[in-house]
Amino acid sequence: KAGVTQTPRYLIKTRGQQVTLSCSPISGHRSVSWYQQTPGQGLQFLFEYFSETQRNKGNFPGRFSGRQFSNSRSEMNVSTLELGDSALYLCASSPYRGLPSGYTFGSGTRLTVV
Amino acid sequence: KNEVEQSPQNLTAQEGEFITINCSYSVGISALHWLQQHPGGGIVSLFMLSSGKKKHGRLIATINIQEKHSSLHITASHPRDSAVYICAVSGNTPLVFGKGTRLSVIA
Repeated sequence: KAGVTQTPRYLIKTRGQQVTLSCSPISGHRSVSWYQQTPGQGLQFLFEYFSETQRNKGNFPGRFSGRQFSNSRSEMNVSTLELGDSALYLCASSPYRGLPSGYTFGSGTRLTVV
Repeated sequence: KNEVEQSPQNLTAQEGEFITINCSYSVGISALHWLQQHPGGGIVSLFMLSSGKKKHGRLIATINIQEKHSSLHITASHPRDSAVYICAVSGNTPLVFGKGTRLSVIA
């Protein structure tokens, strides 16, 4: 079956611009979570969506937002980009939330802000 | 103090060696995950543990809930095992990660 698909794979943006990243989960998976990975901070949780509702949010400024559609596909948006937003953004899907379940990760979107 | 601590941070081994990576956590969890990340960024989930021990090929993962500690073992290591191994826990938030262990296996 198809894995988790993230688009685009690479992105270069200028400070002050905004960006939208997309994540298509494995078919049947209803939970999508987003993570930011930087050399300094490692992997950090951004937010989690389940049934089109944000269920959890990490400690990131309001410039970071997301949504989930009825087909479970999710998008995250970063507005007013800063140089420090340069990172690998990963999404992961799982079948459900509230019970221990395995996560399947996408290949990530590498964002460079110049 | 980080909620998830891994050791060692870096590890170099000769092909064939037995390798152990350790993970300690300080929060209540519903499960512990071992992940593998190769250069280029893709992450593969190796194990999800709630108790006891799991084995997959040359990889073995154990968890001690009382001591809040988990270990990942690689038997008969091979250069293709070279990667970053990341311990993560899930509970109130989907995943909280350790900083990772960078493993290099030399032929």
